[in-house]
Amino acid sequence: DAGVIQSPRHEVTEMGQEVTLRCKPISGHDYLFWYRQTMMRGLELLIYFNNNVPIDDSGMPEDRFSAKMPNASFSTLKIQPSEPRDSAVYFCASSPQGRRTINEQFFGPGTRLTVL
Amino acid sequence: ELKVEQNPLFLSMQEGKNYTIYCNYSTTSDRLYWYRQDPGKSLESLFVLLSNGAVKQEGRLMASLDTKARLSTLHITAAVHDLSATYFCAVDAVQGAQKLVFGQGTRLTINP
Repeated sequence: DAGVIQSPRHEVTEMGQEVTLRCKPISGHDYLFWYRQTMMRGLELLIYFNNNVPIDDSGMPEDRFSAKMPNASFSTLKIQPSEPRDSAVYFCASSPQGRRTINEQFFGPGTRLTVL
Repeated sequence: ELKVEQNPLFLSMQEGKNYTIYCNYSTTSDRLYWYRQDPGKSLESLFVLLSNGAVKQEGRLMASLDTKARLSTLHITAAVHDLSATYFCAVDAVQGAQKLVFGQGTRLTINP
């Protein structure tokens, strides 16, 4: 299996621009998670989906952030408009269901976002 | 609110030495996860501890779980430079929910 795939790996944009991050989970995994990692705040869970349905978006920082999962093999995280404080590494992770509810998550390589 | 705290946050040690990273959490949970992150890389799952008293070992790393004390330890034996990384522990946020709460991470540097 190719593992969790994220694109782009690096993104540099200017304040006010729209940014879209993409994720393909591991085939057969029912859960998908979006995280943000910064030096100051560590690893933060933004939102997660089960079977393409958002379950918990309490970590989404504000309305500028939105996430979708139109099908089992694709998810997007969009920031509009972007701000310099959104600069971070964004990870996507996936997890299978039905394994005694073991919540072991498998992380993608991340997207390093820089907002100038 | 569930809190997961690691100690120490930074650790610099010499090759060949032994050391332990501690992970405390604030609510009942019988599952704990350890991850490794190399600089500029993603998180890699190391251990999944599923019950009180669970112990798992991989090479020079050994993890254990004491659910009564709400404590997990990651022990490094005879450290080598390749083990330099940041180590995270994580706990189920709520029993039955597929959501983890991560500790702050312990940045481990092993010097030759």
